[in-house]
Amino acid sequence: DQQVKQNSPSLSVQEGRISILNCDYTNSMFDYFLWYKKYPAEGPTFLISISSIKDKNEDGRFTVFLNKSAKHLSLHIVPSQPGDSAVYFCAARDGGFKTIFGAGTRLFVKA
Amino acid sequence: KAGVTQTPRYLIKTRGQQVTLSCSPISGHRSVSWYQQTPGQGLQFLFEYFSETQRNKGNFPGRFSGRQFSNSRSEMNVSTLELGDSALYLCASSLVAGGPHEQFFGPGTRLTVL
Repeated sequence: DQQVKQNSPSLSVQEGRISILNCDYTNSMFDYFLWYKKYPAEGPTFLISISSIKDKNEDGRFTVFLNKSAKHLSLHIVPSQPGDSAVYFCAARDGGFKTIFGAGTRLFVKA
Repeated sequence: KAGVTQTPRYLIKTRGQQVTLSCSPISGHRSVSWYQQTPGQGLQFLFEYFSETQRNKGNFPGRFSGRQFSNSRSEMNVSTLELGDSALYLCASSLVAGGPHEQFFGPGTRLTVL
């Protein structure tokens, strides 16, 4: 039962262009969404989050959009840099004590 | 401030054995969560502890267990290892669980079961 889905296993983008990573969820009780970035041989690191009462949150080059009616969120990275190449995980919480993660999308930013 | 530490970093075991993994959270963090990462499956939630109490558990068999000590350090135990238990086991800590509080992850323990 995958409550959080990242349907694109990988994404390749040219340096300087926009990267858009997508995430869908099924549980309407989720009240908080987070994105994490993971480099090889390291644990995931927090990137940006959004509350379910908002539809957009921005932090520098990173913006997360939430469409509650479609149960969809996306992470935009503008402009993309080679150092952004990593695996990105979408995660969600339902007010309880566990965080549900998606399977991840591997982003390649080509110089 | 020191980050989340996990020991050991790498472990090789054989089927049927048991293993204990350790996690030391960031100082002051009282919530510790454990995840299993396998290729294509993302991070699967195992359990979460707060103040020595397990507050939530994922869909894993009873062979997976854990505990948290009074200093917030946590251990995870897997008994009767199976080949499918080979994975990266990640520990994450946060001040409290849930809501906007981000989790800080350790580097993980890579378990290989032969």
